[in-house]
Amino acid sequence: KAGVTQTPRYLIKTRGQQVTLSCSPISGHRSVSWYQQTPGQGLQFLFEYFSETQRNKGNFPGRFSGRQFSNSRSEMNVSTLELGDSALYLCASSLGGVGTDTQYFGPGTRLTVL
Amino acid sequence: GQNIDQPTEMTATEGAIVQINCTYQTSGFNGLFWYQQHAGEAPTFLSYNVLDGLEEKGRFSSFLSRSKGYSYLLLKELQMKDSASYLCAVRSLYGGATNKLIFGTGTLLAVQP
Repeated sequence: KAGVTQTPRYLIKTRGQQVTLSCSPISGHRSVSWYQQTPGQGLQFLFEYFSETQRNKGNFPGRFSGRQFSNSRSEMNVSTLELGDSALYLCASSLGGVGTDTQYFGPGTRLTVL
Repeated sequence: GQNIDQPTEMTATEGAIVQINCTYQTSGFNGLFWYQQHAGEAPTFLSYNVLDGLEEKGRFSSFLSRSKGYSYLLLKELQMKDSASYLCAVRSLYGGATNKLIFGTGTLLAVQP
């Protein structure tokens, strides 16, 4: 079974631009969560989508948004990029059942904001 | 508040045993996970504990005490390839049904010959 895939793997943007990252979950998984990883803060939860609905959201500004499609693929968007948005963005998929699920991570998208 | 603490760095010798500790304070606790992350790679799942006690999986074991808010990951017969960051994460149901994971900052383990 194929793992979680993320595209693109690397991105370089400038301040003020916007970016869209894509995540394809493991086949059969309906939950997709997004995390931001930086050296100083570690992994921080952005949001989780299940059956095309946002199920929870972390403490990030409204510039960070996401959505999920009917095939469970998910995208996240960051508008008006800031230097501090430079990070590794990881998505994780799971079956979707709460309390029993294990999340499996994709390879991540390395975003650099200049 | 929600907080997870683990040591920043540890060093151990090939063939030895190392224990990585994790303490947590969180609302709506619903399980604790350990992930391994090599530099530049995605975190990979190691273990999951939701009840008190020890879970063993080959060279890796994980222990949980919910009353103490404490877990540890035990790595036996260390190999050079075990050099990685080890992430402790707690699943929290605070805010509703969700698979939200709260991560510690990770413990960077260096295995020396």
